[in-house]
Amino acid sequence: DTGVSQDPRHKITKRGQNVTFRCDPISEHNRLYWYRQTLGQGPEFLTYFQNEAQLEKSRLLSDRFSAERPKGSFSTLEIQRTEQGDSAMYLCASSLVRHYNEQFFGPGTRLTVL
Amino acid sequence: AQTVTQSQPEMSVQEAETVTLSCTYDTSESDYYLFWYKQPPSRQMILVIRQEAYKQQNATENRFSVNFQKAAKSFSLKISDSQLGDAAMYFCASYSGGGADGLTFGKGTHLIIQP
Repeated sequence: DTGVSQDPRHKITKRGQNVTFRCDPISEHNRLYWYRQTLGQGPEFLTYFQNEAQLEKSRLLSDRFSAERPKGSFSTLEIQRTEQGDSAMYLCASSLVRHYNEQFFGPGTRLTVL
Repeated sequence: AQTVTQSQPEMSVQEAETVTLSCTYDTSESDYYLFWYKQPPSRQMILVIRQEAYKQQNATENRFSVNFQKAAKSFSLKISDSQLGDAAMYFCASYSGGGADGLTFGKGTHLIIQP
């Protein structure tokens, strides 16, 4: 296993379209996190899963955002009716429960909304 | 709520010299962890070093060390013998026990290494 992977790496879409991103964590990691990083800022927490359960959601996660981790393995993040303000890098990270403080990050998906 | 502040948007250092990146944080938690992450251009974020708040001894990883001042809520990163490959954005982050809310990051410091 080579680490956390994310797909696609880049996504360009038009305002109002729906987009979906995928994250594959390190195989034995049971915690999975989503972050958003805008230009010149540090990442901001969006949500996290422990196995298939979504345990926490940030106020940044509006109703247009939904995340799933159906079998406790990979996760998807969907943004409906995209807006220009959604343009950002979306980062995924994973960790083990017993080492929950050490998160391993994926390369991110860069979203551009035109 | 936790906050992390990095007051140096950019730092520059000569290759082989030592540089210190500053970070202050605020938390009401008694159990927390502090981290420095490195994000090279167009590459993924990697963990450089971490510090458990209950440990008094400063963490060290090869050329990287921290100065953890708990009372002052300060957590600086020292990079010794700077190398060209150290050039990157460096983010300070905090994490409280329990897993809620994920990591809280600062805005980052862009480190430039002058050859």
